[in-house]
Amino acid sequence: QVQLQESGPGLVKPSETLSLTCTVSGGSISGYYWTWIRQPPGKGLEWIGYIPYTGSANYSPSLKSRVTISVDTSKNQFSLKLSSVTAADTAVYYCVGGYNFDYWGQGTLVTVSS
Amino acid sequence: QSALTQPASVSGSPGQSITMSCTGTSSDVGTYNFVSWYQQHPGKAPKLMIYDVTKRPSGISNRFSGSKSGNTASLTISGLQAEDEADYFCCSYAGSGFWVFGGGTKLTVL
Repeated sequence: QVQLQESGPGLVKPSETLSLTCTVSGGSISGYYWTWIRQPPGKGLEWIGYIPYTGSANYSPSLKSRVTISVDTSKNQFSLKLSSVTAADTAVYYCVGGYNFDYWGQGTLVTVSS
Repeated sequence: QSALTQPASVSGSPGQSITMSCTGTSSDVGTYNFVSWYQQHPGKAPKLMIYDVTKRPSGISNRFSGSKSGNTASLTISGLQAEDEADYFCCSYAGSGFWVFGGGTKLTVL
């Protein structure tokens, strides 16, 4: 069974870059799509973007100018970078695998605050 | 891409059936048969319940079923149980590699 685990800082200062990594276990990252989804406290889910293992990412139009998703097949990991963050970027960030968002990490809360 | 529209809440008694809706547009739900539903209990990650409008992943109870008509998709839960109480989110492919979620529906089992 594929398992995913997010890692990264839980606190980021405004205007800085949020960086998260997702480690995939129980399966190879060389298959499926790998997605980042976030959920502000008490709110709904927001699709951030995805990357196939081949490496050509696709991003939400509302975040495209600030987002980069990359994959490291040698480490079975994929990553999220979100630049110029504000308080509005405070959310639980989930890494997700599968063509239908089949496999979810536990989520990690990232707070944007000085 | 705008978010899909879901009712804020639905409720039902144990043993009953409920249906919740997910309304999109002709650019997403109305065009693509890539609608999925996720169940989320408080403090937990979402869980895939339905994909490709009607398909259930392995291990998901057949009490959960999905359908679509025009720009609106629906999730039906039959034989409602206490553990079904959760938030439910729909999601649709919106073309050009983009996906869009609904705002979520809180299901209360009375």
